Amino acid sequence: SAVISQKPSRDICQRGTSLTIQCQVDSQVTMMFWYRQQPGQSLTLIATANQGSEATYESGFVIDKFPISRPNLTFSTLTVSNMSPEDSSIYLCSVPGFKGTGDRETQYFGPGTRLLVL
Amino acid sequence: GESVGLHLPTLSVQEGDNSIINCAYSNSASDYFIWYKQESGKGPQFIIDIRSNMDKRQGQRVTVLLNKTVKHLSLQIAATQPGDSAVYFCAEKASGTYKYIFGTGTRLKVLA
Repeated sequence: SAVISQKPSRDICQRGTSLTIQCQVDSQVTMMFWYRQQPGQSLTLIATANQGSEATYESGFVIDKFPISRPNLTFSTLTVSNMSPEDSSIYLCSVPGFKGTGDRETQYFGPGTRLLVL
Repeated sequence: GESVGLHLPTLSVQEGDNSIINCAYSNSASDYFIWYKQESGKGPQFIIDIRSNMDKRQGQRVTVLLNKTVKHLSLQIAATQPGDSAVYFCAEKASGTYKYIFGTGTRLKVLA
């Protein structure tokens, strides 16, 4: 299993500002994922962060709005830039892993960062 | 703290009863499915999984059923307890990919 921490756990920000969210994993992983969970909705993948290369963004998400860093195999940051109230969401990082004897794939999630933009 | 399930479909069950949570998945090429539980203020946690070569898998108090014909998953929780109160998501993945697609989620409320 993987233990993932995120900072900050929550924040209230003014529109037009930017917030950088940190994700720390207790083991080295090749891929890290960033998700957005808007109020009352499911999880939507923003991007995949690989160490040593540019992040891969999903449709509807762009690097200028959500720049990502992946400086090493245990850490990643997601920045939410030029925020508007529509960016109010929970932002989650996750890593792939296995359960049990190793044949059961899963993703391990951090606790999330709860962002409110005023 | 705020809940992630403010506007999600809600299933209310009496403590001790069985719960059934349903999910329709989207991709007929998906061959691996997971049910996640998300408690308030936490990230989703793995509950149980199933591969497409099975139609049923049982865990401790939980059972997942897969109907590939109609692209439908269900999660059954036996003897529902107050600690089962959470939002439940299904997630699907196709072979050869690493991306999961998450379903809309259902909030389970256990009534004492």
